[in-house]
Amino acid sequence: SAVISQKPSRDICQRGTSLTIQCQVDSQVTMMFWYRQQPGQSLTLIATANQGSEATYESGFVIDKFPISRPNLTFSTLTVSNMSPEDSSIYLCSVETAGGTSYNEQFFGPGTRLTVL
Amino acid sequence: GENVEQHPSTLSVQEGDSAVIKCTYSDSASNYFPWYKQELGKRPQLIIDIRSNVGEKKDQRIAVTLNKTAKHFSLHITETQPEDSAVYFCAASKSGGYQKVTFGIGTKLQVIP
Repeated sequence: SAVISQKPSRDICQRGTSLTIQCQVDSQVTMMFWYRQQPGQSLTLIATANQGSEATYESGFVIDKFPISRPNLTFSTLTVSNMSPEDSSIYLCSVETAGGTSYNEQFFGPGTRLTVL
Repeated sequence: GENVEQHPSTLSVQEGDSAVIKCTYSDSASNYFPWYKQELGKRPQLIIDIRSNVGEKKDQRIAVTLNKTAKHFSLHITETQPEDSAVYFCAASKSGGYQKVTFGIGTKLQVIP
């Protein structure tokens, strides 16, 4: 499995500001995923980030609100823009291992707990 | 797209009893079904998974069964222990490299000592 770290682990932000969350993996991975988990809820996929191309966003999520960068095979960032209290959530990155029977096994970072006041 | 339904949403069992969580999926093309355990304040962790070429898989006290015809799969935990208390998520996807994984709503399991 991959070792995944995220920064920051938590933050409290003011309405209207933006926060960039970083995700670092200890090995090269093709795909990285960004999820949102609202309190007591399931995991909702925001977008899939492939190195060297535009991220693919799920229905209900747009690039202007959640711009994503993927500059190399071990790193990605998610920005939550023009935040409102409804953006308060845990944001998790994940990676999918590949090779043999390991396709589709997703491993998650520790998450970033965001509170918007 | 895929839709995964999970029940129950909460489950309380006495220590030592068994716990069963059930999920159904809608897309007959899905063929990979992982289960994740999320302890309070921690990341989801993969605990077991099953692919459509098998009907059952077991790992110590945890087992998963799959019925492709009925499009449902279940997680069975035997001899439950307090440390099994967590939220469990089922999920479904297609195999073949970097497919979207769709999660169920989660089951909060409480094991009462």
